[in-house]
This record gives sequence, structure tokens and C-alpha cells, in this order.
Amino acid sequence: QITLRESGPSLVTPSQTLTLTCTFSNFSLNTDGLGVGFVRQPPGKTLQFLALIYWDDDRRYSPSLRTRLTITKDTSQNQVVLTMADMHPVDTGTYYCVQYASSEGTAFHIWGPGTVVTVSS
Amino acid sequence: QSVLTQPPSVSAAPGQRVSIFCSGGTSNIGKHYVSWYQQLPGTAPKVVIYDDNKRPSGIPDRFSGSKSGTSAILAITGLQTGDEADYFCGTWDDTLSPHVVFGGGTQLTVL
Repeated sequence: QITLRESGPSLVTPSQTLTLTCTFSNFSLNTDGLGVGFVRQPPGKTLQFLALIYWDDDRRYSPSLRTRLTITKDTSQNQVVLTMADMHPVDTGTYYCVQYASSEGTAFHIWGPGTVVTVSS
Repeated sequence: QSVLTQPPSVSAAPGQRVSIFCSGGTSNIGKHYVSWYQQLPGTAPKVVIYDDNKRPSGIPDRFSGSKSGTSAILAITGLQTGDEADYFCGTWDDTLSPHVVFGGGTQLTVL
């Protein structure tokens, strides 16, 4: 069974950099066609794509947040790390880690449970 | 303001059919497959339809998806109280650089 789990700080001070780690199991990000990314959801609002990294190190970012985001992978640790710079209170929300598999179509079929991040001084 | 437009809410009685619409443009729905996600309160989203009209294993055939031009529809027949949830459409968009976009979400109430 494939699982993903997000970890990181629950509280971030404005202007700080957020670092989130997605630790996954039962697949390798060395496998053709796979990717791991992050989607967030402010309280009571819709989903927002942040970033995705593929098995071949190709990356996709939200254009509106591109200057603040960096996504990297450590295949030996089965982890993907997302950094988001210059955090604001509007960045408060639940951050989800997602798996992409081209063999399964274009959706994000597997999601982590999510981690709540609050940006406040 | 979301790139994809959905009605904020829909409602119907148990056993009835409901349709949720998702409207986009030529850079997203007009070019790419659409997925639909169901989100129960306090949980992560779950795929109910992918690639316009495919159902993941375990999703009942009461759920169906279709697409025409730059719009997509999620239909749910034989409504059950357990279907009460938020539903989001999502797809890829090629504006500026490839990325995923979602609709604003539709709250389904089963009366």
C-alpha cells in the first residue's frame, strides 16, 4: 500500500521560510512516470497546486508562486522537500503531499493526510 | 478567483441525480483530461473520476464524468447521504508554464 505523509512546522512566523517534507513508502521516485508534489488548501477554500517533481527531476510549479517555491527529491530517503519563502498569513492552510503516476492518468490518486500550517506572529 | 468555475453548492434528495458543472478554457479543460475529487469533512481529497470519465477501483458506477469543449460534468445518480461532501474539478493548464488548476469547489447537500 502506497502512503505519503507530510511533516514540518505547524506554526511559522511571517517572512520566514517554510520547509515541508513528504516521506513516502512502497514506491520509488526512480521509477519512470512517477512524481510527488504538494497541494494546499486554505481554511474553507479550494485546492491550490504548488509544485510537482518527476522521476527524471523535471519540475512543475504554480506560476503565481514560482519565485517562492523550490521542490527537491532524495530518492535514497524516499522523501520530497518543498520550501516556500517569505511566508504570509494568507499562506495558512492544510498542505497535502500527492503522488502522480502517468500510468494512472493525469489525476493525483494518492494523497497524504495533510499537515496544518499557521502563519502568525 | 479560481481558473475553473463551479457552482458553490448543489442539493438533491436521496435517490435522485445531481450534476456538477466545471467550466474552464482552451488552455486547460479544452486541452487536458479532467479529474474530480471528493472531499469529506476533515479528510484529504479522493479521486472519484479521472481522465474525464474513468472511475478508480472502488468508486461505484453511480459516479460518472463527461466533457465537452471547455466544460466538464460530474454526475451522481442514486444519491446517498454518504455522498454529501465537497467536490472539486481539476486539470492541467498551459498558461505561462504547465501546472494544475482546480475549481472553486461545490458543496453537495443530500437533503
